[in-house]
Amino acid sequence: DQQVKQNSPSLSVQEGRISILNCDYTNSMFDYFLWYKKYPAEGPTFLISISSIKDKNEDGRFTVFLNKSAKHLSLHIVPSQPGDSAVYFCAASGVGLFVGNEKLTFGTGTRLTIIP
Amino acid sequence: KAGVTQTPRYLIKTRGQQVTLSCSPISGHRSVSWYQQTPGQGLQFLFEYFSETQRNKGNFPGRFSGRQFSNSRSEMNVSTLELGDSALYLCASSSGRTGGLTPLHFGNGTRLTVT
Repeated sequence: DQQVKQNSPSLSVQEGRISILNCDYTNSMFDYFLWYKKYPAEGPTFLISISSIKDKNEDGRFTVFLNKSAKHLSLHIVPSQPGDSAVYFCAASGVGLFVGNEKLTFGTGTRLTIIP
Repeated sequence: KAGVTQTPRYLIKTRGQQVTLSCSPISGHRSVSWYQQTPGQGLQFLFEYFSETQRNKGNFPGRFSGRQFSNSRSEMNVSTLELGDSALYLCASSSGRTGGLTPLHFGNGTRLTVT
């Protein structure tokens, strides 16, 4: 049962435009969401997170939006740059679900390609 | 600060053999988690250790086991390897503060190929 879903395996965006990556979840106990970026032959790198008490969090070119009623979150990258080409993973955690929050449930990833 | 270090980077084993992977967390981090990444499945949680105790466990068979040492270094063992165990195994560390919302820091992984 895939509790975190990224339905688009790949996405191509022109350099300078907005990239929008989507993620849906099914478990209403999730209360903390993260985005990780992964380059080939490297481990995932933390990008940005959002707590369920917020609906938006910004960090430079990256903004994450959370719609709790729809159980949907999205990552916006503006403007997109060639170095943003990577696989992006959405992940969720529930503080009330487990001791600590180190168990993350990941989506299957979206490969973003920025076209120069 | 040095990052999470995983050894070896690549490993080729034969079906039926067993393998041990190693992970050194960021200095000061007490929690070490292990994930399996396969194409189309994303990252699947294996288990998490905190202060030498397994604190959380994913849905993997008993052939997958781990341990953590007093210096927070961790090892993961897979016995009786199957072809389906071929994957990238990622280790992640964090401070492990209960209820804290600290992101995990991942190593570059060990690529295991079972033939």
